[in-house]
Amino acid sequence: EAQVTQNPRYLITVTGKKLTVTCSQNMNHEYMSWYRQDPGLGLRQIYYSMNVEVTDKGDVPEGYKVSRKEKRNFPLILESPSPNQTSLYFCASSLGSGFSGNTIYFGEGSWLTVV
Amino acid sequence: GENVEQHPSTLSVQEGDSAVIKCTYSDSASNYFPWYKQELGKRPQLIIDIRSNVGEKKDQRIAVTLNKTAKHFSLHITETQPEDSAVYFCAASAPGAQKLVFGQGTRLTINP
Repeated sequence: EAQVTQNPRYLITVTGKKLTVTCSQNMNHEYMSWYRQDPGLGLRQIYYSMNVEVTDKGDVPEGYKVSRKEKRNFPLILESPSPNQTSLYFCASSLGSGFSGNTIYFGEGSWLTVV
Repeated sequence: GENVEQHPSTLSVQEGDSAVIKCTYSDSASNYFPWYKQELGKRPQLIIDIRSNVGEKKDQRIAVTLNKTAKHFSLHITETQPEDSAVYFCAASAPGAQKLVFGQGTRLTINP
């Protein structure tokens, strides 16, 4: 089954404690991306990757890092989480080395609370 | 960059009536306009999309219309059912932008 898998799905952590949210897709997609969803703001892109070792900032990259060492994986790293990073996070993937209007497939989401 | 405004933020309709959600976008180069439905606690799922070379697209009870001149597009749901209750997001993307820009979302409630 084609899917985008995120872990953890739910996490409560403390300010400053580094954490990683993993994302894996089994569709051989080149394009992957991270979004955060906040009430009244819709979904906003954090980072994206057009292929292995190719990543770039989205609209709200501050406080986040990503890496793309393998095609299927695109982890989101919060080096020093702060309460304003409390949010619902979605990983997404799409066919093609750049997003060009192909269908985006979202993971199930990761609820992150930073206290 | 692109900016997408979505209205209304909440919408309540009687079962069987129609619902319309509207979005405006700012970048005239945008050429891809999907609509996503997000049920409570779930991921957004694509329900319909339209490209700039098409003015209207229909899939059973849902349809999307696009007015490129006015830079707005709308989602129409006819004969609404309780399972249509969800949050709906519009989005837009321009060539080379490498992302979807989402509207703020509309919480649609279907009253029995």
